[in-house]
Amino acid sequence: EAGVAQSPRYKIIEKRQSVAFWCNPISGHATLYWYQQILGQGPKLLIQFQNNGVVDDSQLPKDRFSAERLKGVDSTLKIQPAKLEDSAVYLCASSPAQGASGNTIYFGEGSWLTVV
Amino acid sequence: GNSVTQMEGPVTLSEEAFLTINCTYTATGYPSLFWYVQYPGEGLQLLLKATKADDKGSNKGFEATYRKETTSFHLEKGSVQVSDSAVYFCAQNTGGFKTIFGAGTRLFVKA
Repeated sequence: EAGVAQSPRYKIIEKRQSVAFWCNPISGHATLYWYQQILGQGPKLLIQFQNNGVVDDSQLPKDRFSAERLKGVDSTLKIQPAKLEDSAVYLCASSPAQGASGNTIYFGEGSWLTVV
Repeated sequence: GNSVTQMEGPVTLSEEAFLTINCTYTATGYPSLFWYVQYPGEGLQLLLKATKADDKGSNKGFEATYRKETTSFHLEKGSVQVSDSAVYFCAQNTGGFKTIFGAGTRLFVKA
């Protein structure tokens, strides 16, 4: 079974530039997540989709971050304009469905962003 | 609000030593509890989980028991190997929208 795919793996941009990350979840997984992981910290949920609808984006800085999941499959996370504090690993993850607390979340390898 | 607290690292052990990484949680309701592991250069992956009180999750020689009375889910392994060097994350989910992660504990195992 193919895992969660993310690209690009690494990106270096200057502050105020824009960047986009792409994610393809595991086939058949209804729930897709974007997490931000700053060095030395645990993952922080940015946004969660159920199919193509947003169910939680309370910690997404909406003035600069946006995400979409067209057709309920793959997803794109965009940052515009980037700030130095956005330097982090952006983790995409998926799970079969929401609501069941015991659901395992399956993570991609992450997209490493450095803003200089 | 709900949260997860785990011991700060790094933890450095010699091969074959006993490992304990402490994790406590605060939650409204009865969450499912997880340990995820992140090996160098890789994404997080589930190590083990427990979905109700007194359940024991186990995998690859690691164990953790869901203790409702102490709100804890400590990770243990009787004999660590160099290949266990990684970052370990404790997490909880109460069946709502969020899985909440702790800050992670880095483990170094020396040969």
